[in-house]
Amino acid sequence: GAGVSQSPSNKVTEKGKDVELRCDPISGHTALYWYRQSLGQGLEFLIYFQGNSAPDKSGLPSDRFSAERTGGSVSTLTIQRTQQEDSAVYLCASSSRPGLAGGHEQYFGPGTRLTVT
Amino acid sequence: GQQLNQSPQSMFIQEGEDVSMNCTSSSIFNTWLWYKQDPGEGPVLLIALYKAGELTSNGRLTAQFGITRKDSFLNISASIPSDVGIYFCAAPDKYSTLTFGKGTMLLVSP
Repeated sequence: GAGVSQSPSNKVTEKGKDVELRCDPISGHTALYWYRQSLGQGLEFLIYFQGNSAPDKSGLPSDRFSAERTGGSVSTLTIQRTQQEDSAVYLCASSSRPGLAGGHEQYFGPGTRLTVT
Repeated sequence: GQQLNQSPQSMFIQEGEDVSMNCTSSSIFNTWLWYKQDPGEGPVLLIALYKAGELTSNGRLTAQFGITRKDSFLNISASIPSDVGIYFCAAPDKYSTLTFGKGTMLLVSP
């Protein structure tokens, strides 16, 4: 079946502009996660959606970052007034049964490489 | 927050050699996951471990859940060029969000 998809695959933007990154999770997965990966670094958690619950936004680095998940499926990560330090790969993952035994397995999309000039 | 210390940071080996890498933490976990990331791709789940002392294999890969629940190990036997990539360990932070190690970059020369 189809995996997690993300778009665009690459995005170059000027400093100060807003950007929107999209994630389509695996069909039927109730949990969706956004991570950021800077060059040569591990993955940094940003935000987590589970069903209709309020999202866990504890990883968002500033109020310029926000995310929505519409209809329990597609998610959009928005970065306002982009800065050069926002340049990174933004990865989306989904999971079918978080919080349950064996439910921590997350499946990742290919990522969006964001470059802020 | 919880930190996962992954080592070595990088490895450069000859094809056919065996590889070992590990991940440690000061915190106790109930789950350990190992992912591989190829250039330009998202991480792919290799092995999931759910029980202390558990030893699980996936082809030439074998991972172990440390008995103290504070560490995990990944071994790759008879490495081949397509094993090249970055290997990450991960463990659940709270509910289901994952904390990742910084990764081990593996390079294999033919």
